[in-house]
Amino acid sequence: KAGVTQTPRYLIKTRGQQVTLSCSPISGHRSVSWYQQTPGQGLQFLFEYFSETQRNKGNFPGRFSGRQFSNSRSEMNVSTLELGDSALYLCASSLEAGGNQPQHFGDGTRLSIL
Amino acid sequence: GENVGLHLPTLSVQEGDNSIINCAYSNSASDYFIWYKQESGKGPQFIIDIRSNMDKRQGQRVTVLLNKTVKHLSLQIAATQPGDSAVYFCAETPGGSYIPTFGRGTSLIVHP
Repeated sequence: KAGVTQTPRYLIKTRGQQVTLSCSPISGHRSVSWYQQTPGQGLQFLFEYFSETQRNKGNFPGRFSGRQFSNSRSEMNVSTLELGDSALYLCASSLEAGGNQPQHFGDGTRLSIL
Repeated sequence: GENVGLHLPTLSVQEGDNSIINCAYSNSASDYFIWYKQESGKGPQFIIDIRSNMDKRQGQRVTVLLNKTVKHLSLQIAATQPGDSAVYFCAETPGGSYIPTFGRGTSLIVHP
């Protein structure tokens, strides 16, 4: 069974630009969550999508948004990029919604803002 | 992933030793706990989980202990191997919440 796939693996952008990251969950998994990982703040929850609906949202500004498609694939968008957005962005999938079950993570997209 | 290990507590052990990684959680309402392992350049990988109605759970070479009285979680790895070298994270999820909170992580270094 293929794992969670995130594309691209690496991305370099400049301040003010926008970026879209993609995540394909494990087949059959309907929940997709996004996290930001930095050395300073650790792993922080961004949002969770289930059945194409955002179920939960973390404490991030509105520049961070996402969506989920009918095949459970998800995209995350960050607009008006800032230097502080440089991070590893991780996607995780699980069978059902909620943080009370194991999540399966992809290897992330490393976003660098110049 | 890379740089995750910066400024993290580090546990250094010899191959074959048992390792114990500790985690203090903050929310007394948390009822689900999980341990993840993250190797350099990779995403976190599920190791073992435990719910609050249990105080111990065992897996293959790993045991998780939960002490709700002092809000403490530990991960024990038996016969630690060089392949166990990674950053280990605990996460807690409060009852009724869908949002897990991750600890800062502990870097485990296993010397051959």
